[in-house]
Amino acid sequence: SQKIEQNSEALNIQEGKTATLTCNYTNYSPAYLQWYRQDPGRGPVFLLLIRENEKEKRKERLKVTFDTTLKQSLFHITASQPADSATYLCALDIRAGRRALTFGSGTRLQVQP
Amino acid sequence: DGGITQSPKYLFRKEGQNVTLSCEQNLNHDAMYWYRQDPGQGLRLIYYSQIVNDFQKGDIAEGYSVSREKKESFPLTVTSAQKNPTAFYLCASSSGHSNEQFFGPGTRLTVL
Repeated sequence: SQKIEQNSEALNIQEGKTATLTCNYTNYSPAYLQWYRQDPGRGPVFLLLIRENEKEKRKERLKVTFDTTLKQSLFHITASQPADSATYLCALDIRAGRRALTFGSGTRLQVQP
Repeated sequence: DGGITQSPKYLFRKEGQNVTLSCEQNLNHDAMYWYRQDPGQGLRLIYYSQIVNDFQKGDIAEGYSVSREKKESFPLTVTSAQKNPTAFYLCASSSGHSNEQFFGPGTRLTVL
């Protein structure tokens, strides 16, 4: 089955720096990879989607890369702000058989003012 | 406003009781999903439904049941067979090719 690894340790950075979160996966190559933000006690919110034939996607201060050879996605937040503090989840859509996402356990980001 | 709602926000249940969690969406999405999230962990798929009157088991379906009689509604029943039901339950919906999911606010279930 698909296995997704995100750094379980919290990432602490200073305001204004770039935060980089990692998502590694095994087995199948996903057709899509998605990133979500989750605040404590709330449902995840969709941020970005990147397709298997795309190497990079940007949205405002967010950037996602997708390396199907390394089986890895990197999620960057530039000019980070304390309001960016949350847990970030990656999710894979393999498009084979089951039409449902498989989620990683998430990485908690803490941006210090 | 379009969105997805879950009720109740907090739910307490005695051991041995069945309980049903509500999930409603007015986004006209075909697909709906139920996830369970335990502290410090990711989302695990319980059940999902791609169309009305059809649903499939996810990774942890044992002890749960669902129905999909209407496009807008996908209720989840946590039965007494579920050994450790205390968790945060999230419902989601999606439509379109990209499978981007919209989540409800969640229901926190505590078994006393």
